[in-house]
Amino acid sequence: AQKVTQAQTEISVVEKEDVTLDCVYETRDTTYYLFWYKQPPSGELVFLIRRNSFDEQNEISGRYSWNFQKSTSSFNFTITASQVVDSAVYFCALSEGATGNQFYFGTGTSLTVIP
Amino acid sequence: KAGVTQTPRYLIKTRGQQVTLSCSPISGHRSVSWYQQTPGQGLQFLFEYFSETQRNKGNFPGRFSGRQFSNSRSEMNVSTLELGDSALYLCASSLLPSGGPYNEQFFGPGTRLTVL
Repeated sequence: AQKVTQAQTEISVVEKEDVTLDCVYETRDTTYYLFWYKQPPSGELVFLIRRNSFDEQNEISGRYSWNFQKSTSSFNFTITASQVVDSAVYFCALSEGATGNQFYFGTGTSLTVIP
Repeated sequence: KAGVTQTPRYLIKTRGQQVTLSCSPISGHRSVSWYQQTPGQGLQFLFEYFSETQRNKGNFPGRFSGRQFSNSRSEMNVSTLELGDSALYLCASSLLPSGGPYNEQFFGPGTRLTVL
């Protein structure tokens, strides 16, 4: 079974619209870490955020916000007032604390922001 | 602070050859992980090294191997190349290994390997 599921393969929005990227994870560990990465067309993955399992407080950074809900095992990412520069593939990832052997990446969501 | 560097950036090889890719982590980072990225399979974990020791390995054949040096630089080797090995190979470094604090991974630009 997939440890990280990003059900949305591709999303297109018009500039200035808000968009939410979904991420559902699966783990039996009580300590774990969740991440979001952005991969622009240039190819290099850019680290966006890291959350640990003990901190369910939502976070906002500029136009980016993250909603972490342990009850639904979700860690969703919202971009407000999207811009063309937000066009990229976004990956959600999980690292388990107890076994902690590797990062598990979702299959990514390709976001296209249309001007 | 310099980011993760990978060399070479592009590589073209033929089937049966072998290849060595290099990764220099961010200064002070001791953990290096390698990933293979292909359109069909997405990001797949190859292996992780910490303090010159391989911590774990993904589900790849023995043709894929790696090592880490005392300065934390890492190399990945693929022997007897197959067409299906064509991919973007990404290296990521972190201060500490996955599974604990300070484990956010910072990625290099990747090495684009084409096998003909």
